[in-house]
Amino acid sequence: QKEVEQDPGPLSVPEGAIVSLNCTYSNSAFQYFMWYRQYSRKGPELLMYTYSSGNKEDGRFTAQVDKSSKYISLFIRDSQPSDSATYLCAMSPPGGGNKLTFGTGTQLKVEL
Amino acid sequence: ETGVTQSPTHLIKTRGQQVTLRCSSQSGHNTVSWYQQALGQGPQFIFQYYREEENGRGNFPPRFSGLQFPNYSSELNVNALELDDSALYLCASSLKLAGETQYFGPGTRLLVL
Repeated sequence: QKEVEQDPGPLSVPEGAIVSLNCTYSNSAFQYFMWYRQYSRKGPELLMYTYSSGNKEDGRFTAQVDKSSKYISLFIRDSQPSDSATYLCAMSPPGGGNKLTFGTGTQLKVEL
Repeated sequence: ETGVTQSPTHLIKTRGQQVTLRCSSQSGHNTVSWYQQALGQGPQFIFQYYREEENGRGNFPPRFSGLQFPNYSSELNVNALELDDSALYLCASSLKLAGETQYFGPGTRLLVL
């Protein structure tokens, strides 16, 4: 079993839809949680960073962490074609340095 | 402020050869990590360098090695290339050893034939 599970998709939604992306994890030591966006043939770009349970909002993006369920989510409101990319969740334990454990990524396509 | 850069962008090698990939950290960043991303997978941590010393290693064999230079640029060396080494190799830099945002470069795509 992988430490971090993420539905690979692909996920196709119409423009303007609310998108929900999810990851589950098994290692209770993970305390830092991140969402990265990766466009084709590019490196991952950090979208959201959180280290506590609850919600964190940044523009159209909301990250949600539920440590009791070992479940994290990323919500994208008013999705745009430019949001079409692969979304990777990543996490690390305290003292883990910068070693991130990633999910497999969910491929999202937002259609006009 | 310049971002993380990597070279070359693409590389083709044959099985058994050796390869060196290069990374220039974002300005002021003293920590660099290397990741391997196979097609359709998330990046996997290879190792991390902090102030020229290896500081943490993932589940990769010793034929994967690295260096960090005084200017914080870095190299990833892979000896005795195998077909499964074909992947996107990503470098990420951060301001300090832990708890800081990592910034990724565009990656080097390696194909081993």
